[in-house]
Amino acid sequence: GAGVSQSPSNKVTEKGKDVELRCDPISGHTALYWYRQSLGQGLEFLIYFQGNSAPDKSGLPSDRFSAERTGGSVSTLTIQRTQQEDSAVYLCASSQGSIGNTIYFGEGSWLTVV
Amino acid sequence: AQRVTQPEKLLSVFKGAPVELKCNYSYSGSPELFWYVQYSRQRLQLLLRHISRESIKGFTADLNKGETSFHLKKPFAQEEDSAMYYCALSGSNYKLTFGKGTLLTVNP
Repeated sequence: GAGVSQSPSNKVTEKGKDVELRCDPISGHTALYWYRQSLGQGLEFLIYFQGNSAPDKSGLPSDRFSAERTGGSVSTLTIQRTQQEDSAVYLCASSQGSIGNTIYFGEGSWLTVV
Repeated sequence: AQRVTQPEKLLSVFKGAPVELKCNYSYSGSPELFWYVQYSRQRLQLLLRHISRESIKGFTADLNKGETSFHLKKPFAQEEDSAMYYCALSGSNYKLTFGKGTLLTVNP
């Protein structure tokens, strides 16, 4: 596609519900990242996929958070039993996964937990 | 571990004044450093990276390995420069680590 696409753009969910956020990276990009952007917290790294390597999950804040990437393309970030502190913008980005390659961001999924 | 520090959350300058957004990093190897910018209601986008040694929109940034810094500078700020600026570091595994960002406001 022309850019990184994320859906939904906005999601309001009740505390305790599960949510899934989807990311379609730029075609051919082997690297895919998820970040969380909260007011006053900047950009928080969540998870990184690179080709067929095991993902770097070191940024996932709790075991309620998980992500997968199917077929080396589309990725889904799942948050189980959402809490109010999960409210944030979840950003996906992709790149060609090598030195000097630009990382392109999606517009983000704004999650509000009420 | 890789870490990026942006000491200023907020920076306010007047139009035409010089601006410097500070960035310091911690990384044991040879990092790639970037500046990303997010204008109001727009997606995060790359502004510049140190390996390109380029000037974008009048901004420059020099990697100082001795001071482990990558400060972003512009001699004459414009109102349209008002945005959120993030410094970022990429290590050997290409994972991008961001600072917490600096909100730049350029006043008329």
